[in-house]
Amino acid sequence: EVQLVQSGAEVKKPGESLKISCQGSGYSFTTYWIGWVRQMPGKGLEWMGIIYPGDSDTRYSPSFQGQVTISADKSINTAYLQWSSLKASDTAMYYCARHSLLGYCSSTSCYSAFDTWGQGTMVTVSS
Amino acid sequence: EIVMTQSPATLSVSPGERATLSCRASQSVSSNLAWYQQKPGQAPRLLIYGASTRATGIPARFSGSGSGTEFTLTISSLQSEDFAVYYCQQYNNWPQRTFGGGTMVEIK
Repeated sequence: EVQLVQSGAEVKKPGESLKISCQGSGYSFTTYWIGWVRQMPGKGLEWMGIIYPGDSDTRYSPSFQGQVTISADKSINTAYLQWSSLKASDTAMYYCARHSLLGYCSSTSCYSAFDTWGQGTMVTVSS
Repeated sequence: EIVMTQSPATLSVSPGERATLSCRASQSVSSNLAWYQQKPGQAPRLLIYGASTRATGIPARFSGSGSGTEFTLTISSLQSEDFAVYYCQQYNNWPQRTFGGGTMVEIK
């Protein structure tokens, strides 16, 4: 079974750093693009960025460039989303999701939907 | 940046009735358009990709249509489990993938 399992909920203070994870199983982790999506409380979905775990090629939404860092460790089938200095406005649910191969995807680009989602990691930033 | 606009924001429908949801792109996204369903407390689930292809396990009452800038998700006969929020997403403009603001389908 294809699965993405995310790390647990976090409660942090403003200014703290944080790294959350997303571990894939049941498929070849290195050959599927993985994306991160933010959902602020009561709001819609926002695409943050994607990574190709095979070579760690990473692309960001302009809205999140410089605000977060996406990385991956292919040896343990895990993608990460990290912040160096959290703000209260980072309070949200964060989802990782795998790009389907039902479209056109290669190691350099991908034109497909997200077919598998993690369960989400709730990040709360409060003083 | 491609902007995706969904309408209406909320749709009130009785069980058994048909629901029609719209999604408009600010520029052409060809058929690179997906629809997702999200229920409270759950992660989104892929319903439709390629504008009109149902994902694995999705009932036939869900159908997608459109290309270019105008897209529609139709639920032919709403079941109780279909009351949820629905999002469209374009994936035509590499590497940006943009979501619409969502349509909440609620019980009338």
